[in-house]
Amino acid sequence: QSALTQPPSASGSPGQSVIISCTGTISDVGGYNYVSWYQQHPGKAPKLMIYEVTKRPSGVPDRFSGSKSGNTASLTVSGLQAEDEADYYCSSYGGNHNQVVFGGGTKVTVL
Amino acid sequence: QVQLQESGPGLVKPLDTLSLTCAVSGDSVTSSKWWAWIRQPPGKGLEWIGYVYSFGTIHYNPSLESRVTMSLDTSNNQVSLRLTSVTAVDTAVYYCARKLDSKTYFDFWGQGTLVTVSS
Repeated sequence: QSALTQPPSASGSPGQSVIISCTGTISDVGGYNYVSWYQQHPGKAPKLMIYEVTKRPSGVPDRFSGSKSGNTASLTVSGLQAEDEADYYCSSYGGNHNQVVFGGGTKVTVL
Repeated sequence: QVQLQESGPGLVKPLDTLSLTCAVSGDSVTSSKWWAWIRQPPGKGLEWIGYVYSFGTIHYNPSLESRVTMSLDTSNNQVSLRLTSVTAVDTAVYYCARKLDSKTYFDFWGQGTLVTVSS
């Protein structure tokens, strides 16, 4: 199972929106509504931000939203804030061998 | 609150075996959950290593399957990882994480422990 494809970087000014894409195949992203997104600040463990494509865990601001079309999932961060500057990783269930596959990560910079 | 704490040697020699433990508090490793290991080489992305279910079922990343063993220590409420024949490419921060049964995301993570493979 290959890693999911994410752009290496994205940026936006405070208050703007940034969209991060995550492209897989029909065997993972396209085949299941099991995409999740994690936020990771430097030196910290990843934090779950979105699961099952569109759902937010308790405590995650509604500025974070997820969607999917075909083999590509997206994370939108609206109303960018300084604390949103971090690395973001997508992940998907891949049915073969009950695998989990991650994207390569996207560094979001708040200008 | 669920807490996970990884521990183990920070330095392992090439071709030796890497052994890590994840101590779980606030939950039981026998409570119908999946317990995962995920690693992150310095400056790189996340890689799923595998996960073990409370009742023994295990799934490994096929790329690591020949070298990996995961197990549960129910007496001490811990999860263990063994990775044999390590090389420099196995240098990474190793995280343990929890996955609910029938779900596909990791809701709690440990802080991670850096393991360096070097002579």
